Amino acid sequence: GAVVSQHPSRVICKSGTSVKIECRSLDFQATTMFWYRQFPKQSLMLMATSNEGSKATYEQGVEKDKFLINHASLTLSTLTVTSAHPEDSSFYICSATVTDTQYFGPGTRLTVL
Amino acid sequence: QQPVQSPQAVILREGEDAVINCSSSKALYSVHWYRQKHGEAPVFLMILLKGGEQKGHEKISASFNEKKQQSSLYLTASQLSYSGTYFCGTANNAGNMLTFGGGTRLMVKP
Repeated sequence: GAVVSQHPSRVICKSGTSVKIECRSLDFQATTMFWYRQFPKQSLMLMATSNEGSKATYEQGVEKDKFLINHASLTLSTLTVTSAHPEDSSFYICSATVTDTQYFGPGTRLTVL
Repeated sequence: QQPVQSPQAVILREGEDAVINCSSSKALYSVHWYRQKHGEAPVFLMILLKGGEQKGHEKISASFNEKKQQSSLYLTASQLSYSGTYFCGTANNAGNMLTFGGGTRLMVKP
């Protein structure tokens, strides 16, 4: 299957700082990538759809000014959590689609102190 | 709207079978099944695109009843490695924005 990577895998930051998470498609080009957030023992919740060369589409209730998404190339999408707070601590996962199948990156565990 | 998965949790002995169901209140274009181990990202199992479609992957198979807007995942002769949380993801068009069910925690004991 297709390979999607994420970096970093874990990050711990202080409250008020910003954190950038990268999502890369390694062996294919992705015009669309998806960003999910997962809290412990809960399901994956779609945050936004990242579109190469255009603005991301955010789901209802997701603050676009807080979760900045940039999809600058066909293989890279970034999610920046700005002014992070402890309640932003979560598991962030990106995915990309290849012929109807959605492949997930390994995830980034964010802990905000 | 989030699809509904049942059961929420199941405990099996090695070698036993299980069925996990996924139901949607909306018409579905596709159903995707994933397994997630603790602390890891979901791993793709299979996708069902056509009503009536059935697929198998070793001892794990699934069916898609388009009219009933539901899918079922069948785990046969379960192995210890089957333990994890199973999620169904549904899409109602070809854009592949998936909405995930609440998950089914499966534990296989020796």
